[in-house]
Amino acid sequence: DAKTTQPPSMDCAEGRAANLPCNHSTISGNEYVYWYRQIHSQGPQYIIHGLKNNETNEMASLIITEDRKSSTLILPHATLRDTAVYYCIVRVLYGGSQGNLIFGKGTKLSVKP
Amino acid sequence: DGGITQSPKYLFRKEGQNVTLSCEQNLNHDAMYWYRQDPGQGLRLIYYSQIVNDFQKGDIAEGYSVSREKKESFPLTVTSAQKNPTAFYLCASSPPGTEFRYGYTFGSGTRLTVV
Repeated sequence: DAKTTQPPSMDCAEGRAANLPCNHSTISGNEYVYWYRQIHSQGPQYIIHGLKNNETNEMASLIITEDRKSSTLILPHATLRDTAVYYCIVRVLYGGSQGNLIFGKGTKLSVKP
Repeated sequence: DGGITQSPKYLFRKEGQNVTLSCEQNLNHDAMYWYRQDPGQGLRLIYYSQIVNDFQKGDIAEGYSVSREKKESFPLTVTSAQKNPTAFYLCASSPPGTEFRYGYTFGSGTRLTVV
């Protein structure tokens, strides 16, 4: 079973920030939080990952709470092309089979004009 | 450009037939994975391979088989024993542990339909 909980769906207006929450209350100290997204009928695409500090790259920002039990992916200016299913995953950075990615159902983000 | 190539994109199979899905990568990644996705569902792990000539069952391996004779290739055979083979199949690869940082690279998938 996935070790994360995400809302099944969210809407966001084009040009506004999209904030996607994820709960991972059983996360271990050596597990990272990864975010992927899957545009319809394509393979998932890596977005960002982090351990405990907030992270930012050209695609998004990741905010992890101090207790690491939840996180939020932020798309600062959502576009129609950001419409996709977003997956939040926790895994160890190294560790062979322990590092296999377990995908839940994710959050379907719909960006509307 | 480096990446993962899955072929074909669409595949139709008659009931009772085996079919093999191709997955090739030129990323020099050690590990490769096969996932299955049903409509509205997440990805479920079928098989994975950490190294050439070795592979392990994932969560839903029944009715599937794989081989890993070359680092670049990880074909998946859907056998007649798979009760509900119609699905979207995704192949992925990842570098060895110390290089994993950016996670998996996925192919574009093969949509298998049993007719």
